[in-house]
Amino acid sequence: DQQVKQNSPSLSVQEGRISILNCDYTNSMFDYFLWYKKYPAEGPTFLISISSIKDKNEDGRFTVFLNKSAKHLSLHIVPSQPGDSAVYFCAASGRGSTLGRLYFGRGTQLTVWP
Amino acid sequence: EAQVTQNPRYLITVTGKKLTVTCSQNMNHEYMSWYRQDPGLGLRQIYYSMNVEVTDKGDVPEGYKVSRKEKRNFPLILESPSPNQTSLYFCASSSSGFSYEQYFGPGTRLTVT
Repeated sequence: DQQVKQNSPSLSVQEGRISILNCDYTNSMFDYFLWYKKYPAEGPTFLISISSIKDKNEDGRFTVFLNKSAKHLSLHIVPSQPGDSAVYFCAASGRGSTLGRLYFGRGTQLTVWP
Repeated sequence: EAQVTQNPRYLITVTGKKLTVTCSQNMNHEYMSWYRQDPGLGLRQIYYSMNVEVTDKGDVPEGYKVSRKEKRNFPLILESPSPNQTSLYFCASSSSGFSYEQYFGPGTRLTVT
């Protein structure tokens, strides 16, 4: 049973516009959320994270929003650039039985076109 | 350079022939983990280790073994590989199990025929 869900397998956005990638989770024990970016033939690389005590975290062009009541987070990329084209994975972990475990969504392929 | 290395990067083998994929990190990280990536399924955790001599199962441990005898190395062992273990495997490490910002290796593409 998928505890982290990314329901959009792909997203296509024009350069300069905003990209919004969405992620939902089901386990209320999760209290730390991350986004990873993956290019073909490479391992995933960490992009940005957010703790459940916050509802927003910004790092340059990347902002992650967390809505705990809805068990939903989103990654905003503004402005989008062609180099952002990659697969983006949402991941979650937390306390108790989830400590040490990292649960990933299935990924969203972002394509930024000129 | 801080990195996670995996060997081999590509491997084609036959059903039942034992194999080991090595993973090594040079960051003195306590936490290490193995994942497999399959089309449409994302990344799934196989095993993880919070420290030397401490390992735990992830989501899909069946058919795999691991050991953590020293901090820098975390090999993945397939005692009797089967075709359903054909996948892309990633090793990762982080400074602790509480630090989820993991550094990933470049991946090992395994094909079992």
